Amino acid sequence: ETGVTQTPRHLVMGMTNKKSLKCEQHLGHNAMYWYKQSAKKPLELMFVYSLEERVENNSVPSRFSPECPNSSHLFLHLHTLQPEDSALYLCASSQVADYSYEQYFGPGTRLTVT
Amino acid sequence: GESVGLHLPTLSVQEGDNSIINCAYSNSASDYFIWYKQESGKGPQFIIDIRSNMDKRQGQRVTVLLNKTVKHLSLQIAATQPGDSAVYFCAENSGGGADGLTFGKGTHLIIQP
Repeated sequence: ETGVTQTPRHLVMGMTNKKSLKCEQHLGHNAMYWYKQSAKKPLELMFVYSLEERVENNSVPSRFSPECPNSSHLFLHLHTLQPEDSALYLCASSQVADYSYEQYFGPGTRLTVT
Repeated sequence: GESVGLHLPTLSVQEGDNSIINCAYSNSASDYFIWYKQESGKGPQFIIDIRSNMDKRQGQRVTVLLNKTVKHLSLQIAATQPGDSAVYFCAENSGGGADGLTFGKGTHLIIQP
């Protein structure tokens, strides 16, 4: 295991539902990330939190709302999603330092929007 | 925009042979590169990394080669085993700090018995 856990592992939701994905890292890292992985496409960076402050938002639709209450926890709140949002959502963490960019990934949440 | 890419979506090799997975990048400002392995149902797992001031780095059964002249990165796996079957991604970090990584599309390595 990488020290990054994600719940739930699988989620099926309707387009009008509201749900949240949870990520927790047990590595003492100071940065956390959300990525989206769709079939046959590269991993897409969605959000970056460094020292609990959001530092990047790659033009992600507002129906995705991140929250980072502390350095160990990261949430992704979902509402009124579209079928094309179905994907594997990966959380990662890293220790931001000079010459250290390795990110540790969780197992992902497989999201299906119906 | 600039991106990291891979040459082949699928690579099939015989068990015991060496595997070479290639990656091309276009951002000349990138100073760090990393290879990840993703098995079915799991998140990406770190394999090896290399900084731009190096052209070769070796790990256990794996070697990463970096050719900055042609912006090319490769991962060599020696004596490929069934457990090496996975999708392999290269990624780059060109921004420094807490920037996320930019990933390529991935190569699916298939091991033939």
